[in-house]
Amino acid sequence: NAGVTQTPKFQVLKTGQSMTLQCAQDMNHEYMSWYRQDPGMGLRLIHYSVGAGITDQGEVPNGYNVSRSTTEDFPLRLLSAAPSQTSVYFCASSTQRGTPYEQYFGPGTRLTVT
Amino acid sequence: GIQVEQSPPDLILQEGANSTLRCNFSDSVNNLQWFHQNPWGQLINLFYIPSGTKQNGRLSATTVATERYSLLYISSSQTTDSGVYFCAVSYNQGGKLIFGQGTELSVKP
Repeated sequence: NAGVTQTPKFQVLKTGQSMTLQCAQDMNHEYMSWYRQDPGMGLRLIHYSVGAGITDQGEVPNGYNVSRSTTEDFPLRLLSAAPSQTSVYFCASSTQRGTPYEQYFGPGTRLTVT
Repeated sequence: GIQVEQSPPDLILQEGANSTLRCNFSDSVNNLQWFHQNPWGQLINLFYIPSGTKQNGRLSATTVATERYSLLYISSSQTTDSGVYFCAVSYNQGGKLIFGQGTELSVKP
């Protein structure tokens, strides 16, 4: 199992550009989430999904869009990048089976918006 | 929502020393995880411990759910233990972990 994978690892954008951060998991987990981590802080939830076709907002959703058309994939879209979105982005997945809600994280995407 | 507080915020140890990190949470949880974020930014699952005690090598963790706290013990610390340790919790909410601010540990040789 590859677990949770994210691409790209690094990205530099100019203000106003759009892009999609990719996240995939091969564990057949029903839950997937996106978090952002700013310097010196813990992770904050952006959006999450409880299954294919179902998404909801987390603590800091503004400026981001998500969709979940398959169990495996959960892309995060930045519609019009702003310097305040400079951060490290982590994707995670979890399941009710086994150890309920235990989250597994991807390696992260470091995004800089200039 | 649930609040999570970690202490201490920073900790400097000499190699070989022991330490205890604390996580307090404000409401009932049925998921509590400890993570280590290494200097390269990678988040490593240490423990899934909504209650009870677990041990993994030099690390162990205890969660007392009724008193709303968890402790992470690091014994005989090594320089590779350096990084930030996060506690994160949730209650019946797949996909919605709430993180503490972390404890930044620095182990000196």
